[in-house]
Amino acid sequence: QQQVKQSPQSLIVQKGGISIINCAYENTAFDYFPWYQQFPGKGPALLIAIRPDVSEKKEGRFTISFNKSAKQFSLHIMDSQPGDSATYFCAASWPTGFQKLVFGTGTRLLVSP
Amino acid sequence: EAQVTQNPRYLITVTGKKLTVTCSQNMNHEYMSWYRQDPGLGLRQIYYSMNVEVTDKGDVPEGYKVSRKEKRNFPLILESPSPNQTSLYFCASRPQASSNQPQHFGDGTRLSIL
Repeated sequence: QQQVKQSPQSLIVQKGGISIINCAYENTAFDYFPWYQQFPGKGPALLIAIRPDVSEKKEGRFTISFNKSAKQFSLHIMDSQPGDSATYFCAASWPTGFQKLVFGTGTRLLVSP
Repeated sequence: EAQVTQNPRYLITVTGKKLTVTCSQNMNHEYMSWYRQDPGLGLRQIYYSMNVEVTDKGDVPEGYKVSRKEKRNFPLILESPSPNQTSLYFCASRPQASSNQPQHFGDGTRLSIL
C-alpha cells in the first residue's frame, strides 16, 4: 500500500511554463515532507522540504504548497527549464523510534525547449 | 568530497549466484539504508542501520541481507538472487536516524538477474 500517492506519472511542459506535481497522504503522523530530484544515472538529491506548520515554502523557482486539512502537498516549478528535466519524488517522514522516510512513485518531467 | 559510493554500478548475473553490493560513505553518518527503485513503485526501503551492529528490516527485506560492522560500510547481500530482484538499487546515509537531515544517495547499482 502506497503511503504517499504521487501524480502525474509523467509530465511534459514547455520551456518557461509551470510544472506542477501533486502528492497526497493519509498518515497524520507525518511531520516532514521533502522533495527529491533525480537525474538519469544519479541518485536522488534533496530539492526542497517543508514541515506541516507552514503552508508554503519557496526556494528560487521551486515552491512547495502544503494543505494540511486536505492532506496534500505539491511542487511547483516556475519558469521551467530543460535542465529541470528529471524524475521528482515526493516523500514523507514520521518518528517511529527513528525518522522513517517513505517515497511517492515518482514523476518523470520533461521540459521541451 | 562528501559522497556515498556503491559498487558495482552494473551487474548481470544468474539466478542463485550469491552477490554483494558494497556501499561506503565518508561523512561519518550513523544512519544508512538500502532502497530499490522500480518503475511505478518509487523507492522502497529494503534494510536500514541506525548505527554499527544495529540493523533492521525495511518494507521489502525478503531475499536480502545486510551487515554493519563498520560505520562507513553497509553492504547488501543477495544470497540466492532471483529474477524478481532485478532492479535499480540505492544506498543512502544521513547523520542520525532521529533527524530529518537530508539523505545522501549513491549513484545506484543496476542489477539484472537472469
